[in-house]
Amino acid sequence: RKEVEQDPGPFNVPEGATVAFNCTYSNSASQSFFWYRQDCRKEPKLLMSVYSSGNEDGRFTAQLNRASQYISLLIRDSKLSDSATYLCVVKDRAGGSYIPTFGRGTSLIVHP
Amino acid sequence: DGGITQSPKYLFRKEGQNVTLSCEQNLNHDAMYWYRQDPGQGLRLIYYSQIVNDFQKGDIAEGYSVSREKKESFPLTVTSAQKNPTAFYLCASRNGQVDYNEQFFGPGTRLTVL
Repeated sequence: RKEVEQDPGPFNVPEGATVAFNCTYSNSASQSFFWYRQDCRKEPKLLMSVYSSGNEDGRFTAQLNRASQYISLLIRDSKLSDSATYLCVVKDRAGGSYIPTFGRGTSLIVHP
Repeated sequence: DGGITQSPKYLFRKEGQNVTLSCEQNLNHDAMYWYRQDPGQGLRLIYYSQIVNDFQKGDIAEGYSVSREKKESFPLTVTSAQKNPTAFYLCASRNGQVDYNEQFFGPGTRLTVL
């Protein structure tokens, strides 16, 4: 069974802190990776895709380690507005379809 | 505005009744998905459809049914056979022409069965 594991947290950090989340996946043939953000009682929204070479978007950096089968998300200079649940998504190819598997999410609380 | 709409936002039903949740998208996406989310849990795939008139079971399809008669619509019926239907239901779509692109989600429907 394909699994995507995340530390549920919560990660409780002060404003300005740097925080990192990891996500491990079980299927070595997994093909694409994403981080989504979900606010309380709202739908998930794409934060960033994760590319093999790693990628950065402002204060957010995502990395992929295929050998160890994990992806990471680093948030620098945390803002109060970063408080949310961060979902790791791994997509595998099944027949002609890309099937996403979601982690349970990591909760981040940024306090003043 | 392009996007995905789900209605209603909140839905209450009595136990034993079937209920249909609406999902419409005007993004011209081929692929559509239904997920269920329980408190403190991740999203679990119920059904997905890669193309009109075709759909596949996800991980937790028992007690649910879907149809895909039009590209823009993918309604989900929660039947009385579903043991624990109270949950947050999310619909998503994706441009199936590009393999690695992301899903877009609707705002969700919170179903409570009394």
